[in-house]
Amino acid sequence: DTAVSQTPKYLVTQMGNDKSIKCEQNLGHDTMYWYKQDSKKFLKIMFSYNNKELIINETVPNRFSPKSPDKAHLNLHINSLELGDSAVYFCASRDVNSPLHFGNGTRLTVT
Amino acid sequence: QKEVEQDPGPLSVPEGAIVSLNCTYSNSAFQYFMWYRQYSRKGPELLMYTYSSGNKEDGRFTAQVDKSSKYISLFIRDSQPSDSATYLCAMSFNTGGGNKLTFGTGTQLKVEL
Repeated sequence: DTAVSQTPKYLVTQMGNDKSIKCEQNLGHDTMYWYKQDSKKFLKIMFSYNNKELIINETVPNRFSPKSPDKAHLNLHINSLELGDSAVYFCASRDVNSPLHFGNGTRLTVT
Repeated sequence: QKEVEQDPGPLSVPEGAIVSLNCTYSNSAFQYFMWYRQYSRKGPELLMYTYSSGNKEDGRFTAQVDKSSKYISLFIRDSQPSDSATYLCAMSFNTGGGNKLTFGTGTQLKVEL
């Protein structure tokens, strides 16, 4: 069973488009995250939700909007995509006494 | 200067070698230290988790934390080709829900036959 699953796995789109990435976890965790990994493998947190409430919002452009319909899901919508948005986006989840569990990433390429 | 510095490599070693991977950090408030392994096209997975200074051993892996020097290490004994991956150090201020991890940039390791 996949603990943290993201869709799509690959996303190729043109500048200016709007796209969404979906994430679901079946671990019963209360906290979910979005991380961005650049071409140099640097992982940086973007957002964190705890039980559907936003608790961390790093300095991310407001073109990025996370949405958590319930505590098992955290989606990421990106408006007006730019070339610099090309990266691998990882969803993750954890509970108070558990380590961070990552999905396998969504590789976004903006052309 | 980044909060967490890690040599990106790549590091290439023969099978059976002892591997030493290191990170330095600048914020003395970090209390929890982790090592993640990331295979190509996969998400990072937790390898080791330590609190404050000291050593922790798990099979062929040993994690060391020296808070006085702001320096952490991961040692891999008897390295195997299956250890070839990117190793990311990570650290946080607390372990409660809502904390955030600060990652190093990762060291790419290749273990050759």
